[in-house]
Amino acid sequence: AQSVAQPEDQVNVAEGNPLTVKCTYSVSGNPYLFWYVQYPNRGLQFLLKYITGDNLVKGSYGFEAEFNKSQTSFHLKKPSALVSDSALYFCAVRETNAGGTSYGKLTFGQGTILTVHP
Amino acid sequence: NAGVTQTPKFQVLKTGQSMTLQCAQDMNHNSMYWYRQDPGMGLRLIYYSASEGTTDKGEVPNGYNVSRLNKREFSLRLESAAPSQTSVYFCASSEAGHRGPSPLHFGNGTRLTVT
Repeated sequence: AQSVAQPEDQVNVAEGNPLTVKCTYSVSGNPYLFWYVQYPNRGLQFLLKYITGDNLVKGSYGFEAEFNKSQTSFHLKKPSALVSDSALYFCAVRETNAGGTSYGKLTFGQGTILTVHP
Repeated sequence: NAGVTQTPKFQVLKTGQSMTLQCAQDMNHNSMYWYRQDPGMGLRLIYYSASEGTTDKGEVPNGYNVSRLNKREFSLRLESAAPSQTSVYFCASSEAGHRGPSPLHFGNGTRLTVT
C-alpha cells in the first residue's frame, strides 16, 4: 500500500521569500505524484503532477515541484511567495494496481497550512 | 461550465437519520469519487466509480452507499447517520478511469454535522 507524509503541519514564510512545502511518499512501483491547493470553504484545486521524465515539474501560479527518487520526496516550491498563496496544500500519490491500470484513487497527505506574511 | 456541483452545501442531521449527498459533473468524465476530509487526516476515499455502471469501495466505506445514476451523477447515501460521520464531503471526477494520471476535479464540498 502506498502512503504520503507531509512532515510539517504549518509553514510560515514572508512575502517575497522562497517557500518549500515538503512531501515524502512510499509506493511499491513508480509513483504518480500530485500537489493540490485548497482555499477556505472550497474544494481542492490541481497545481501540478509528476508522471515521468524531468525531475522538476512546473505548475500553476508559479509553483514547481522537485521529484527525488532516491529520497522518495516531491517537495513543492515557489521562488517568491505571495500573501495570496496562503492556503492548505496537499500532496497525493496515485495508486497503480498490478495490471498497470490506475483508477484515479489518490492517497493524500494530511495537508500543510501555508501562511505568507506581508 | 460548472465543473463539479455538490448539493447541499451544509446539512445537520440527528443520529439515525438518513440523507443523500448529490454530485453532478458536466465535463463528460468517466470516473467519479467521494472523499471525506477530517482535520489532520487529509482526504480519505469512501467510494469511487471508475466508469458508468461500476462502483467500488475505497478506504472508509462503512456506513455509506453510493449510486452511479448515469455518467454525470454520483450520489452518496448515509442510511443511519452517526456522529463519527461528521465531516466535509467532497465529490470529484477525472477524465480517464484507466491508464493515465488524470488530475481530479473537486466540488466545493458538503459540510455535514451529525448530532
